[in-house]
Amino acid sequence: GIQVEQSPPDLILQEGANSTLRCNFSDSVNNLQWFHQNPWGQLINLFYIPSGTKQNGRLSATTVATERYSLLYISSSQTTDSGVYFCAVEQGHFGNEKLTFGTGTRLTIIP
Amino acid sequence: DAGVIQSPRHEVTEMGQEVTLRCKPISGHDYLFWYRQTMMRGLELLIYFNNNVPIDDSGMPEDRFSAKMPNASFSTLKIQPSEPRDSAVYFCASSLSVTEAFFGQGTRLTVV
Repeated sequence: GIQVEQSPPDLILQEGANSTLRCNFSDSVNNLQWFHQNPWGQLINLFYIPSGTKQNGRLSATTVATERYSLLYISSSQTTDSGVYFCAVEQGHFGNEKLTFGTGTRLTIIP
Repeated sequence: DAGVIQSPRHEVTEMGQEVTLRCKPISGHDYLFWYRQTMMRGLELLIYFNNNVPIDDSGMPEDRFSAKMPNASFSTLKIQPSEPRDSAVYFCASSLSVTEAFFGQGTRLTVV
């Protein structure tokens, strides 16, 4: 099956810093999503971004489908940004319409 | 819409007991997914449905696990008999066609 790799696995930053999280995938995809799992375990949708660039406040994401990677940018980090960030991809073929998750990047923002 | 609703939020049960997890997808969504999250294996798909029909159950660990979707607004995941290694967080998600998926808050299952 498709492989999804995220880097770095862990990231510790001071409040106010910027960060870039990366997601590489091993095959073509129909769909790519970024999630934030907060300390309470909730999976929060950040972006649905099969290709191109999107921005939402301090967060933005870019997916380059032809090169099989996506980037999540977090600017001016806040302590509430702490948690685990997951990238998940879906290939779209019948019988394979499921999200495959990466192992996540654990982000810790220090006040 | 209230989003994907799962119940119970927490479940503690004794080994050997039957456990039933419930999920109400977002109204109008035609795909429903059950995922399990553990420290060792991360987030893994157990089974998914399209228009109430199971499409891929290859992630169901063994015959002790079963899932049903009797109608478009309800699904269950049953474990019988439960074992301590089934302890995990179980998520339900739904999507409209093959687009953005939304997750419920999860059920934290502890089998003692």
